[in-house]
Amino acid sequence: GNSVTQMEGPVTLSEEAFLTINCTYTATGYPSLFWYVQYPGEGLQLLLKATKADDKGSNKGFEATYRKETTSFHLEKGSVQVSDSAVYFCALSEEDDKIIFGKGTRLHILP
Amino acid sequence: GAGVSQSPRYKVAKRGQDVALRCDPISGHVSLFWYQQALGQGPEFLTYFQNEAQLDKSGLPSDRFFAERPEGSVSTLKIQRTQQEDSAVYLCASSPSRPGSGNTIYFGEGSWLTVV
Repeated sequence: GNSVTQMEGPVTLSEEAFLTINCTYTATGYPSLFWYVQYPGEGLQLLLKATKADDKGSNKGFEATYRKETTSFHLEKGSVQVSDSAVYFCALSEEDDKIIFGKGTRLHILP
Repeated sequence: GAGVSQSPRYKVAKRGQDVALRCDPISGHVSLFWYQQALGQGPEFLTYFQNEAQLDKSGLPSDRFFAERPEGSVSTLKIQRTQQEDSAVYLCASSPSRPGSGNTIYFGEGSWLTVV
């Protein structure tokens, strides 16, 4: 079945550091890929998405590229801020819109 | 409303008690999903509605879990005879259209259930 594997946290970085959170997936078809973010005390929010191979999703300085050859969708940001501290979920869905999430990666940014 | 609204936000139930969790999706949204998120885990799919029709309930963990959306808008997730392993955040999400790859799905803030 379909699944998502992402790096375990917590990840702790200093402000302005470069961020990578790895995500790989297994799917039977051609899924859409997502990164969701959950800030403390808030609900899940869509951060970015990509719907086909080689697409790059981007938002708030975060980027992820849909790599079909490596079945990956790694999240990157060039310079993180304290306000980026949150839990990040990689996810996929196929045509039924049922979203399959990874276990989440908690990110701590130190000032 | 502006977003997906869930109530109650927090519920403490004694083991064996029945609970009902309510979801108000974004007005006009066709699709509605329920997810269960255990502590430290990612959300896991429970069930899906398209309007009032429950098209997929493959994720419901047992027959103690029941969901309905009788008029195609508000939905209720009911858990009978709650057990400690039911303690989790229950997330509701809605989408404006019928399923199609890449549709944006909007999540509520969740109902935190603790069974003691």
